[in-house]
Amino acid sequence: SYGLTQPPSVSVSPGQTVSITCSGDNLGHRNPCWYQQKPGQSPVVVIFEGTRRPSGIPERFSGSSSENTATLTISGTQAVDEADYYCQAWDTTTHVFGTGTKVTVL
Amino acid sequence: EVQLVQSGAEVRRPGESLKISCEGSGYRFTNYWIGWVRQMPGKGLEWMGMIFPEDSDARYSPSFKGQVTMSADKSLSTAYLQWTTLTASDTAMYYCARRLEPGYFFEYWGQGTLVTVSS
Repeated sequence: SYGLTQPPSVSVSPGQTVSITCSGDNLGHRNPCWYQQKPGQSPVVVIFEGTRRPSGIPERFSGSSSENTATLTISGTQAVDEADYYCQAWDTTTHVFGTGTKVTVL
Repeated sequence: EVQLVQSGAEVRRPGESLKISCEGSGYRFTNYWIGWVRQMPGKGLEWMGMIFPEDSDARYSPSFKGQVTMSADKSLSTAYLQWTTLTASDTAMYYCARRLEPGYFFEYWGQGTLVTVSS
């Protein structure tokens, strides 16, 4: 079955830039998106179709993708960005979530 | 305003059955896929499947096929997720979410229903 791999955790200092990768076969062609989930809350999409940002999501969130990798970048990271982040892709007939990455703002 | 409101937390014993719900409002319920996502305690998100309320076309993740049943009642704008025989491993938070159409991600999410299965 199709799988998406993310690093378990990353840390970043306030104001710095952090990037999270998501790896999967042919991911760049599978409409990757990213969700942010804070403790006790439902997920919120922050990037869709690889690079697009929904209205209401701060400009510091950006996305990119290549053949087998999607990347979420948070520029000028703020304390409120501390959360779990999940990538997700569409695999023919199923949606697949990545393993998740915990972002800690030190 | 689009809203998905899920039924409240449930506690069941192993072997029991359960049906949880997700009511949509603020949009045409029949026109959008509703997905279900499991999150076990301290773990990540798992896509279980989705249903198209207009015709109740249901698609299941291979991991969940045969383990749960998805249904929908158009007249009530409500989607359901049900189990016939619960086990302790079904203990989790379950989210419903509306998929963007056309699109490949879930733009609106319910608040989640916590299911606890314990003897």
